[in-house]
Amino acid sequence: EDQVTQSPEALRLQEGESSSLNCSYTVSGLRGLFWYRQDPGKGPEFLFTLYSAGEEKEKERLKATLTKKESFLHITAPKPEDSATYLCAVRTGGYNKLIFGAGTRLAVHP
Amino acid sequence: DAGVTQSPTHLIKTRGQQVTLRCSPKSGHDTVSWYQQALGQGPQFIFQYYEEEERQRGNFPDRFSGHQFPNYSSELNVNALLLGDSALYLCASSHFRETNSGANVLTFGAGSRLTVL
Repeated sequence: EDQVTQSPEALRLQEGESSSLNCSYTVSGLRGLFWYRQDPGKGPEFLFTLYSAGEEKEKERLKATLTKKESFLHITAPKPEDSATYLCAVRTGGYNKLIFGAGTRLAVHP
Repeated sequence: DAGVTQSPTHLIKTRGQQVTLRCSPKSGHDTVSWYQQALGQGPQFIFQYYEEEERQRGNFPDRFSGHQFPNYSSELNVNALLLGDSALYLCASSHFRETNSGANVLTFGAGSRLTVL
């Protein structure tokens, strides 16, 4: 059965304290790994798509990497506005069914 | 350019009732997916509509049904509501041709928060 597990469940950082969020997956055939950001009371907002092991993508203070079994979202020198829930999802088949992890709740304090 | 819009934003129902949620996709998108997000969990896939037909379905009972209209908008219907149906219901849109190419990205709406008492 296809499965996505995110860790940690929650993470508290001081402003400027870099860290990484983990997404491990077990799927029958990966057709894309997605990172989304979700703010309270809002829908998920797209961040990155990764397709093959070794691929990396960056956006401001965020960098996503992919291996054959897991993905990392690295946050460099975070700011309070980076506080949100970060969701990882995989696509394994046709159409656009995504399997999501439970998310990591990130809180960045000044 | 409007993104995905959903209505209503919040609603309260009692057990056994029926509910209809509505979604208008992002301009230029022709495919609509519905997800259920329980508190503290990630979204779970309910089903996807393209060309007014259900194309793929997740592990949800037949109480969950949907419809897509010629203008690509969509409805999610849930019958015989249970307490466990309380959740945020998210609509996401995409373009079918991009979906099949693998380059597709879902655009989500803000969701409809359903509370079942």
